[in-house]
Amino acid sequence: DIVMTQSPLSLPVTPGESASISCRSGQSLLNSDGYNFLDWYLQKPGQSPQLLIYLGSNRASGVPDRFSGRGSGTDFTLKISRVEAEDVGVYYCMQVLQTPYTFGQGTKLEIK
Amino acid sequence: EVQLLESGGGLVQPGGSLRLSCAASGFTFGGYAMSWVRQAPGKGLEWVSGISNSGSSTYYGDSVKGRFTISRDNSKNTLYLQMNSLRAEDTAIYYCAKGGEWLRKIDCWGQGTLVTVSS
Repeated sequence: DIVMTQSPLSLPVTPGESASISCRSGQSLLNSDGYNFLDWYLQKPGQSPQLLIYLGSNRASGVPDRFSGRGSGTDFTLKISRVEAEDVGVYYCMQVLQTPYTFGQGTKLEIK
Repeated sequence: EVQLLESGGGLVQPGGSLRLSCAASGFTFGGYAMSWVRQAPGKGLEWVSGISNSGSSTYYGDSVKGRFTISRDNSKNTLYLQMNSLRAEDTAIYYCAKGGEWLRKIDCWGQGTLVTVSS
């Protein structure tokens, strides 16, 4: 199985500042067509997860452009510009290159 | 509106069985692959199982392989997870999830159903 490692696990952020979350995979998630098979999800407190980013860098429908995903191969980053109070929750990366799909441990973003 | 509604969770003894259901609405159920994802209390997400849109192909996580069976009835717009030989470590909220592209890009999640395995 592909191991996914996120850092940091806890991320206190001042509103208006930016935040970055790193996700590393145990093997390359880049397929032969040039797509990175990595998704990002946010689980807000008391809610089900929601899709933020798919294929490494594509924002899901309705996701603010403050959220951006980048990276390739084994190293990926989720960047949140101008953090708002509504962004609190746990962020997960998930490799979707091969089953069983695997998640990172999660990064808990909190507001200072 | 796309909706997924899980049911069937509850308290079961170790070694017991349980079947979860997920009723889908608001989209053409038979056109999409589906997954089950679980979350143990206070823990992270774990992908459990996936099934193709037709039901002909199924996939499992290592921790449930041989004990859980995923299936679907496209005529009833319903996804199932049959769970046998349950263990304490299977205690979790089980989410039904719709794939946006194959099993990937999960663009809709149910509210979850809690399974507790305890004597």
